[in-house]
Amino acid sequence: GAVVSQHPSRVICKSGTSVKIECRSLDFQATTMFWYRQFPKQSLMLMATSNEGSKATYEQGVEKDKFLINHASLTLSTLTVTSAHPEDSSFYICSLTPGPTAAYEQYFGPGTRLTVT
Amino acid sequence: AQSVAQPEDQVNVAEGNPLTVKCTYSVSGNPYLFWYVQYPNRGLQFLLKYITGDNLVKGSYGFEAEFNKSQTSFHLKKPSALVSDSALYFCAVRDRGNFNKFYFGSGTKLNVKP
Repeated sequence: GAVVSQHPSRVICKSGTSVKIECRSLDFQATTMFWYRQFPKQSLMLMATSNEGSKATYEQGVEKDKFLINHASLTLSTLTVTSAHPEDSSFYICSLTPGPTAAYEQYFGPGTRLTVT
Repeated sequence: AQSVAQPEDQVNVAEGNPLTVKCTYSVSGNPYLFWYVQYPNRGLQFLLKYITGDNLVKGSYGFEAEFNKSQTSFHLKKPSALVSDSALYFCAVRDRGNFNKFYFGSGTKLNVKP
């Protein structure tokens, strides 16, 4: 399966600042990556689909100006939480599918724990 | 609307006993079905999937799942539970016609007691 890394694993920031989270595909060139958010004891919520070389596709209710996604290369997608607020505190997970069809499973990064104080 | 249901928030079993984690789905067409496991503060790890063919699918760590089309279920099973199996388990379905849509269940916490 594909290996996905995320950096940082944990970050604490102050309200009003911005935080960038990196998602890297270590052994697969991914034209599409996914960003999820997970609240404690809850399921994953798809935030957006990151497309290499084009704009991300955001799910309904996700503020595109607040959660900036950049997929500049086939191995790197970044999520920037701008003007962070305490309610943005969450576990953010990226994933990719190492194949061109829906029959392929997703491989997930280890996640990034964001705490906004 | 597409949805995945995991009716049990928590499942408790004794080590050595068989375990079942339930999943039912409501997705149009013939979806692809997946199971993932998540350990605390970690991403999800792929366990197994059903694409087509034999209804009993075998996956990682001795887990298996049975696809039942008439009941739209995809229950996860293991003949003999280990304490190390204690984790959060997610069922997921993917619409064959939509690469970007992956629907997750709410998760089931499995507790295996020694």
